[in-house]
Amino acid sequence: SYELTQPPSVSVSPGETARITCSGDALPKKYAYWFQHKSGQAPVLVLYEDNKRPSGIPARFSGSRSGTMATLTITGAQVEDEFDYYCYSTDSSGDPWVFGGGTKLTVL
Amino acid sequence: QVQLQESGPGLVKPSETLSLTCAVSGYSISSGFFWGWIRQSPGKGLEWIGSIYYTGITYYNPSLGSRITMSVDRSKNLFSLTLSSVTAADTAVYYCARRYCSGASCYPDYWGQGTLVTVSS
Repeated sequence: SYELTQPPSVSVSPGETARITCSGDALPKKYAYWFQHKSGQAPVLVLYEDNKRPSGIPARFSGSRSGTMATLTITGAQVEDEFDYYCYSTDSSGDPWVFGGGTKLTVL
Repeated sequence: QVQLQESGPGLVKPSETLSLTCAVSGYSISSGFFWGWIRQSPGKGLEWIGSIYYTGITYYNPSLGSRITMSVDRSKNLFSLTLSSVTAADTAVYYCARRYCSGASCYPDYWGQGTLVTVSS
């Protein structure tokens, strides 16, 4: 089955740049999406189609995709950005819905 | 505004069947898109359970085998999940979501708030 791989945790100090990676074999041909999540709450889409921000998402959130890796970048991370972040994509068939294992971002 | 709301029992006994419903408002399920269930077990990540189209086409996570059944009630604008023979490993927050598609871009855009289901005797 198709898998997306993320680091379990990333830690930065406030104001620093946080980078969260997501690797997957189908990423050269498939968009990556990023969700911000706190357990027990609905996940929030922070980036779609690799680097597009939904309305209401701060400009410090950006993304890129190259080869088999997608990256979520938070430039000037703030304490309120402390969430679990999940990448999402699909394989060639479009189903199943595939989530990365999640990355816990600590801003401390 | 599209809204999804999960409902169902918060406690299920081992070996019994878990049944959840997702009521959709602000959008007709019959208008298209796939509708799915995702769960998060304690200490783990998001896991896709399965998805359904309004015509009844379904895709299920193979890791859950034949325990899953999903259905759609177009008249009530809702879709449902049943998971049979549950064990403690099925304890999780269960989310429903809509998978929006535009061309080659498909992703879950609207989610419910989630409902906690505990499997325990």
